Amino acid sequence: AQKVTQAQTEISVVEKEDVTLDCVYETRDTTYYLFWYKQPPSGELVFLIRRNSFDEQNEISGRYSWNFQKSTSSFNFTITASQVVDSAVYFCALSEYKETSGSRLTFGEGTQLTVNP
Amino acid sequence: DGGITQSPKYLFRKEGQNVTLSCEQNLNHDAMYWYRQDPGQGLRLIYYSQIVNDFQKGDIAEGYSVSREKKESFPLTVTSAQKNPTAFYLCASSIDWAAVNQPQHFGDGTRLSIL
Repeated sequence: AQKVTQAQTEISVVEKEDVTLDCVYETRDTTYYLFWYKQPPSGELVFLIRRNSFDEQNEISGRYSWNFQKSTSSFNFTITASQVVDSAVYFCALSEYKETSGSRLTFGEGTQLTVNP
Repeated sequence: DGGITQSPKYLFRKEGQNVTLSCEQNLNHDAMYWYRQDPGQGLRLIYYSQIVNDFQKGDIAEGYSVSREKKESFPLTVTSAQKNPTAFYLCASSIDWAAVNQPQHFGDGTRLSIL
C-alpha cells in the first residue's frame, strides 16, 4: 500500500528564514506522481507542483524549490526567504493508478508552517 | 472563473439527523471526490465518482452516502449512522479518473459540527 509521511507536524520560523518541509513516500509502483498542496486558513487546497517518478530534476519557482530524490523516496519542499503569507498547512501527496479505482491521491498528515514577523 | 463551490461553509447537525453537503463544479471534470480532514490526520477519501451515475466507496465510507446524477454535482450526505461527523469536508475534482498526472482541484470546504 502507498504511504506518505510528513514527519514535521509544526514548524515555526521568523520571516526571511529559509525553511524545508520534508516528505517521504512508499510505493511499489514504478510510475507515480508526487504533488505539493498549500492549505491557507481559508481551507481550500491550492496545487503547487507536480513531479513524475521519472523526472528527478529539481525545480525552482520564485522562492519555492523542490528536491526529488528517488533513491531516498523523498520529495522535499524549500521556501527561501519566508514571508508571513507563507503561513499555511502544506500537504505532500502521492498519485497512483489502479485499474479497479483509477487515479487516487494519498496524502501525508500535513505540516503546519507559521512564519512570524 | 471555473472552480468548485461547496456549501454551506458551516453546518450543524443534531443527533439522529441526516445532513447534505453540496459540491458543484464548472470545470467540466469527469471525476469528483469527497475527503474528510481531521486535525493531524491529513485528508481521507470518503467517496469518489469517475463519471456521472457512478461512484465508489473510498477508505472511510461508512455513515456517508453520495449521488452523481449530474456531471457538475456530487452531494455528500452525512447520515445518523456516522457517529463522529465533526470534521472539515473537502470536495475535489479532476479532469479524468484515469489521469494520474492531473492535479485535483479543491473547494473551500464545509465545516460540520454536532449540536
